[in-house]
Amino acid sequence: QSVLTQPPSVSAAPGQKVTISCSGSSSNIGNNYVSWYQHLPGTAPKLLIYENNKRPSGIPDRFSGSKSGTSATLGITGLQTGDEADYYCGTWDSSLSVVFGGGTKLTVL
Amino acid sequence: QVQLVESGGGVVQPGRSLRLSCAASGFTFSNYGMHWVRQAPGKGLEWVAVISFDGSNKYYGDSVKGRFTISRDNFKNTLYLQLNSLRPEDTAVYYCAKDPGSGSNYVFYFDYWGQGTLVTVSS
Repeated sequence: QSVLTQPPSVSAAPGQKVTISCSGSSSNIGNNYVSWYQHLPGTAPKLLIYENNKRPSGIPDRFSGSKSGTSATLGITGLQTGDEADYYCGTWDSSLSVVFGGGTKLTVL
Repeated sequence: QVQLVESGGGVVQPGRSLRLSCAASGFTFSNYGMHWVRQAPGKGLEWVAVISFDGSNKYYGDSVKGRFTISRDNFKNTLYLQLNSLRPEDTAVYYCAKDPGSGSNYVFYFDYWGQGTLVTVSS
């Protein structure tokens, strides 16, 4: 059982938009920045979003992040087949640990 | 470019020990905090531990506290994870990851990750 709650899966057609939610509490998301990662099995995870809504260099603006209260959202527009992956949110928790969501599998139909 | 290369994984019996290494290059290793994160088969990411840039501060996840020890050698640009009293539930791919915060300023997210090393705990 993960501390942060994500939907197990989302899907959309190529070119469409999808959002992935991440729900937490005042112990984590409510008082800390959220980051998002893309993970293809067998590869190194990749940072997509940090500090709620900032993109590292090289990450296209098709990826966006937002936070409101104790929830955060990752948005992906212009979906491509190469976006099929697992997506994780993460943040610091007052229990003195980094916590992640359980991951969301994105399928591009 | 930043490279993180883990090694040391393998098959080990319950109760035994293993030491993982992560060789870092492409950045000033001694300036940054470093983390270990793991992923059990079919499961999500789980944070394991963090160590400060100079090794003076360490934090651990509850599931490994008292059994695992994170350390670093800034002369060798290498991060370590000592795994003791291993359990079957420790079976996972272990990733090392860099914290972007320099000096004492952890930011607790991960801007670079290694490819991981697989640890299998089984009799």
